[in-house]
Amino acid sequence: GENVEQHPSTLSVQEGDSAVIKCTYSDSASNYFPWYKQELGKRPQLIIDIRSNVGEKKDQRIAVTLNKTAKHFSLHITETQPEDSAVYFCAPSGQGGSEKLVFGKGMKLTVNP
Amino acid sequence: EPEVTQTPSHQVTQMGQEVILRCVPISNHLYFYWYRQILGQKVEFLVSFYNNEISEKSEIFDDQFSVERPDGSNFTLKIRSTKLEDSAMYFCASSEVRGYGYTFGSGTRLTVV
Repeated sequence: GENVEQHPSTLSVQEGDSAVIKCTYSDSASNYFPWYKQELGKRPQLIIDIRSNVGEKKDQRIAVTLNKTAKHFSLHITETQPEDSAVYFCAPSGQGGSEKLVFGKGMKLTVNP
Repeated sequence: EPEVTQTPSHQVTQMGQEVILRCVPISNHLYFYWYRQILGQKVEFLVSFYNNEISEKSEIFDDQFSVERPDGSNFTLKIRSTKLEDSAMYFCASSEVRGYGYTFGSGTRLTVV
């Protein structure tokens, strides 16, 4: 089955700094690459996603880059704010034609004011 | 913004009892999913449902689990005889397109005692 790894598992930054979270996956058939933000006790919320035919996508302070050859994709957050503090999950899908999201273990981001 | 609604938000049940978790997906969505998250762990896929049929299920989704769309709006997850290890947050999700752009509900926290 798909193996999904996230690095780092925790990250603490100062407000205004940038943060980068990397997600590696094992199945080259994966074709959809979303990032979810989960605040404590709340639902996973889709913040940005990318499909396999696109290398990069940006939405204001958030961007996702995809390297299909190396089988990893990354979430970039610029000008971080305290409200960006949350757990971020990558969840690639499409392995073997499957529609299920395979979540990584998550990365806890803390933005210090 | 349309939401996926889940009820109840918290359910406590005795081991061996049956529980039904309810979800109202976004009205124009055709694909429905259940995921679960044990406290402090990653989100795990349970089952996907389309056109009144299960389209995919995980190893977790054994004979104790079932799903149903009893009418045009509700989507339910039934656990026939709950075990302690079923304690988790259960998230319903729906999407308009197969495998893309999931919206998650706010979850039902199931506690089996």
